[in-house]
Amino acid sequence: NAGVTQTPKFRILKIGQSMTLQCTQDMNHNYMYWYRQDPGMGLKLIYYSVGAGITDKGEVPNGYNVSRSTTEDFPLRLELAAPSQTSVYFCASSSPLDRGHGDTQYFGPGTRLTVL
Amino acid sequence: QQQVKQSPQSLIVQKGGISIINCAYENTAFDYFPWYQQFPGKGPALLIAIRPDVSEKKEGRFTISFNKSAKQFSLHIMDSQPGDSATYFCAASLGEYGNKLVFGAGTILRVKS
Repeated sequence: NAGVTQTPKFRILKIGQSMTLQCTQDMNHNYMYWYRQDPGMGLKLIYYSVGAGITDKGEVPNGYNVSRSTTEDFPLRLELAAPSQTSVYFCASSSPLDRGHGDTQYFGPGTRLTVL
Repeated sequence: QQQVKQSPQSLIVQKGGISIINCAYENTAFDYFPWYQQFPGKGPALLIAIRPDVSEKKEGRFTISFNKSAKQFSLHIMDSQPGDSATYFCAASLGEYGNKLVFGAGTILRVKS
């Protein structure tokens, strides 16, 4: 299993540009999450999904959109990028049916985004 | 009420020493308290977790102590090693639909050899 994969690893955007951060998991997990990590701030939940076709806002959803058309993929869309969206973005997945590890969230390697 | 406060921000420990990181929470409905370990350039990975029905959980050199009445929990790393140098995050969740985690701000641990 590759686990949770994210692309790209790095990206520089200009203010006002848009992009999609890709996230794929091969563990057949129902739950998927997007977090952003800023220095000294921990991880903040942007959006989450409990299954294909079901998404909901987390703590910091403004400026982002998500979709979940398949179990495996959970892309994060940034529209009209702003400097405040400069951050490291992590995708994670978990499964409530995962025997003994149902609460464990498995994280991808992250995407470092800079908006100039 | 959804916050988890973590301290210290950074910690330097000698090899073989004990590293202690503390977290406090307000929401008494939290029912799952994990600690995640993150190495530079990597995503966080679950280290150890506890539920409020026990006061302590130990896995190898890592122990969580949980004080329900004080609404505090801590991570103890015994016999700290240079390979333990990483950022540690405490977190909490309500165990509700989606099992969303609320993270502390993180502690940067450096173990000096």
